Amino acid sequence: KNEVEQSPQNLTAQEGEFITINCSYSVGISALHWLQQHPGGGIVSLFMLSSGKKKHGRLIATINIQEKHSSLHITASHPRDSAVYICAVLKTSYDKVIFGPGTSLSVIP
Amino acid sequence: EPEVTQTPSHQVTQMGQEVILRCVPISNHLYFYWYRQILGQKVEFLVSFYNNEISEKSEIFDDQFSVERPDGSNFTLKIRSTKLEDSAMYFCASDGGSPLHFGNGTRLTVT
Repeated sequence: KNEVEQSPQNLTAQEGEFITINCSYSVGISALHWLQQHPGGGIVSLFMLSSGKKKHGRLIATINIQEKHSSLHITASHPRDSAVYICAVLKTSYDKVIFGPGTSLSVIP
Repeated sequence: EPEVTQTPSHQVTQMGQEVILRCVPISNHLYFYWYRQILGQKVEFLVSFYNNEISEKSEIFDDQFSVERPDGSNFTLKIRSTKLEDSAMYFCASDGGSPLHFGNGTRLTVT
């Protein structure tokens, strides 16, 4: 079983829709990252969370440490949000980042 | 904003040759990582580096791989004798207790 799981694997949304991507993990972590990977391959860090909730523009990330679960929400989605969103956890040893399989999001105008 | 830089952006090499992928992490960061992503697959952890030594490595990081921080700024990944299956995008990242900063990656093609 993968230590980091994401759902859904693929997601198609209409422009303007509210989107939720989920991440669950089975290891002890010190932090969780939400990353965005565009078709060109570059990876950008969106959030780093160790508790609670963070908001940046139309993006909101939440984490529940007890339930080992995090969600990434995109409000008023836009075609430029189309990308692969990756959940990655930093293990409590601080030595290793484990990546989820990614969620491929396509926002249609 | 400081950024992680990787060179080259694309490297083509013949099977059996040695390659060195270079990264310049953000200067005040303490943790450095190499990851790879085979086309169409998820990102995989290779190795982490802290305090001038390997902190943890994955099962992928066998004897053909090595990392160095030769001059306190560059962080290199060497593949001693490349195989076809080493073809992938290789990402360097650094961490200073803030969101991970990734380089743009080096696309390695082994022919």
